[in-house]
Amino acid sequence: GENVGLHLPTLSVQEGDNSIINCAYSNSASDYFIWYKQESGKGPQFIIDIRSNMDKRQGQRVTVLLNKTVKHLSLQIAATQPGDSAVYFCAEKPQGSARQLTFGSGTQLTVLP
Amino acid sequence: SQTIHQWPATLVQPVGSPLSLECTVEGTSNPNLYWYRQAAGRGLQLLFYSVGIGQISSEVPQNLSASRPQDRQFILSSKKLLLSDSGFYLCAWRATGGLYNEQFFGPGTRLTVL
Repeated sequence: GENVGLHLPTLSVQEGDNSIINCAYSNSASDYFIWYKQESGKGPQFIIDIRSNMDKRQGQRVTVLLNKTVKHLSLQIAATQPGDSAVYFCAEKPQGSARQLTFGSGTQLTVLP
Repeated sequence: SQTIHQWPATLVQPVGSPLSLECTVEGTSNPNLYWYRQAAGRGLQLLFYSVGIGQISSEVPQNLSASRPQDRQFILSSKKLLLSDSGFYLCAWRATGGLYNEQFFGPGTRLTVL
């Protein structure tokens, strides 16, 4: 099957620096993407989403970039804080499917003091 | 506002025992409901999803079953647990009526089968 994968399983950044978490997807028919944050022992929390008709979307301290040409998704976190330490998952939705998401394996972000 | 509840939060069960995990959603009607399993340090595996009362779709063959007896209640069950059923079980809901609605997750149930 087609998978959503991540380039790096772990990422360590200094507090105050910017973080970039990457995600590669292989289903070119996906038209909706979501980033989730999961803290230890908790359920995933929605961070930001983007539709395939967009290249960039910004939230509070976060930006998602979508490059459909190379099937790449990234999450940028500005001024990373200790509370940002968590596992980050990308998820994709195939075009025409209103029901299901396919999740990547996740990237562990650790913020160093 | 909408909320999603799962219980119990943690559970330790012997091999061969039955299982019942419950998920309820408040503040919405006719949601799509999902059960996921997450192994330690891994991603989310979709187990079941439901688009309405009594309507269950299974994604992977397994030792588990799901039921939706009420609109906002989703139950995950097993008659006899296996060691491999250990994991973190997550329930999620999604609003219907659109293609681009995110899923919202519950707090999860940590299941350990000994």
